[in-house]
Order: sequence, then C-alpha cells, then structure tokens
Amino acid sequence: EDQVTQSPEALRLQEGESSSLNCSYTVSGLRGLFWYRQDPGKGPEFLFTLYSAGEEKEKERLKATLTKKESFLHITAPKPEDSATYLCAVILIQGAQKLVFGQGTRLTINP
Amino acid sequence: DSGVTQTPKHLITATGQRVTLRCSPRSGDLSVYWYQQSLDQGLQFLIQYYNGEERAKGNILERFSAQQFPDLHSELNLSSLELGDSALYFCASSVSGRGTGELFFGEGSRLTVL
Repeated sequence: EDQVTQSPEALRLQEGESSSLNCSYTVSGLRGLFWYRQDPGKGPEFLFTLYSAGEEKEKERLKATLTKKESFLHITAPKPEDSATYLCAVILIQGAQKLVFGQGTRLTINP
Repeated sequence: DSGVTQTPKHLITATGQRVTLRCSPRSGDLSVYWYQQSLDQGLQFLIQYYNGEERAKGNILERFSAQQFPDLHSELNLSSLELGDSALYFCASSVSGRGTGELFFGEGSRLTVL
C-alpha cells in the first residue's frame, strides 16, 4: 500500500536552533513530492516541489531535499514565525492523479 | 490570500441533516479539489473536478457528492450527516488538471455535527 510517513509528529525548538523534518514514502511510482505549510485554522500553503532524487529547493530558512526513499525539510536558524504544521505529499505516476498527504509535523519555535 | 474562497467558514448542524459547502477557485484555475481534514485522519482527498467534469475520486462516501458548475465554482453536498463527518473541509484549485501538486487551498469550512 502506498504510504507517506512524517516524523517527528511534533518538534519544539529554540529560536536559532536548526533541525530537520523527515518524510518517508513507500510508493510504487513517484511523480513528485511536495511540501506544504499549514498555520492553525488556515489552509495548507504550497512551499516546494521535488521531482527526482538529488534535487534540492530553498526558500528563506527552509531547504527541501529528496532521495529515493525520503525527503527532508531542513530549517536553519528558525524564527517563531516558522511555527506551523509542515505537510509533505506525493503524487503517483499510476492511478488517480491525487495528492496523498502525510500526517504532518507540528513545529514550534520558542523565542 | 490564496484566491480560493470557501463558504461558509463555520457550520453547525445535527445528525441526519444535509449541508452544502461552496468553493470559488482562483481566477483562471480550471481544476477544483475537495479535501477533508480531521484530527485522526489528516488531509484526505475526496474528489477532483476539471472544467466541469469529474477527474479523480478518492475516499468519498456515497452520502457525499460534488459538482463543478460552468462558472467553475464547485459545491460539496454532504447528506445524512453523522458525528464522524465533523471535520474541516478544504477546497483547492489549480490551473491544470493533470496531477499537479501545486494546489492553492482555501481557508476551509469547519463542519460540526451534533
């Protein structure tokens, strides 16, 4: 069964303390992997698209990387405004072209 | 602001009732997606429409139905509501209907079934 698993479920960091969030997937054909940010009470907001192993994308303090089995979202010197739930999602080559989301990592940055 | 508008923002109703959630996609977007988000299930894909036609179907219950109108707005109808249907319902849109992962989400409609 195709699955997307994110870890940890929750992460609490001090401002400036860098870390990484993990998204592992067991799918039979990956078309693309996507990272979203979701603030409480809001809809998810698109961050990155990754298509092939070795690809990297950066935006401000965030960098997303992709291997054949997993993706990492690296957060460098985070600020309190980076607090949010980060979701990863995949689209498969075969079957319905639907975006399958992981459960998310709830990130809290303390000042 | 994503440009996707959902109404109503909050809805409280009783079991057995029927509700309609409305979504206006971003200007120019032809594809509309509906997702359900609950605490235990996360974001679950329900259904996708592209330019008025159903394109993909997910774990949508038979009690739920959707359609996309000629002006591209979409409605999600939920009937015979149960307590377990309480969730956030998100609409998202994209220009293409071909498996893009870059979706623009609305702020959601929070449904509470009592």
